[in-house]
Amino acid sequence: AQSVTQPDIHITVSEGASLELRCNYSYGATPYLFWYVQSPGQGLQLLLKYFSGDTLVQGIKGFEAEFKRSQSSFNLRKPSVHWSDAAEYFCASRRDNFNKFYFGSGTKLNVKP
Amino acid sequence: DARVTQTPRHKVTEMGQEVTMRCQPILGHNTVFWYRQTMMQGLELLAYFRNRAPLDDSGMPKDRFSAEMPDATLATLKIQPSEPRDSAVYFCASDKQENTEAFFGQGTRLTVV
Repeated sequence: AQSVTQPDIHITVSEGASLELRCNYSYGATPYLFWYVQSPGQGLQLLLKYFSGDTLVQGIKGFEAEFKRSQSSFNLRKPSVHWSDAAEYFCASRRDNFNKFYFGSGTKLNVKP
Repeated sequence: DARVTQTPRHKVTEMGQEVTMRCQPILGHNTVFWYRQTMMQGLELLAYFRNRAPLDDSGMPKDRFSAEMPDATLATLKIQPSEPRDSAVYFCASDKQENTEAFFGQGTRLTVV
């Protein structure tokens, strides 16, 4: 069965500092992988996705993520965090276009001034 | 600007009442997902449809929940009778098979008192 693990429930970083949010997936083959962001009271917005090709993917708002097959990981990074990045971040996987999504439990990001 | 539309955005109801939540997927999208989000459980998949047919509703309590797609532009999620433990944010998402990602609505925040 597929599953997604986000080990960090809360993370606090200072504005301008770098950020890395961890995500590990469990699946025999390479799934499709996603990062979504949820601001308070809002739905989920796609930041970036990976399904094949270059293992470093660029997304919106200056985010990037790197797929590492050997570690079953798809960590999200940003070189310099802005206060507006404070939100909850969800990693997700799906086997292919025809199947459902599996979401991690989310990581809440707090940004200190 | 194509988006998934959910109504109502907020609903407060008394225990035992029927609740109907509606979702209008993005035009041309043939897959609709219903998720429930709570602090304790995170994002749980309740059901999903493709071409209006249910593919998986194993996450849905069958005794009180029902999901339908009367037509390609409308998905509904009903709870009858509602209970306080149903209080949550219910998200609808849609995609089409050519996409890898799903697009989320703003959610319906349900409070059952």
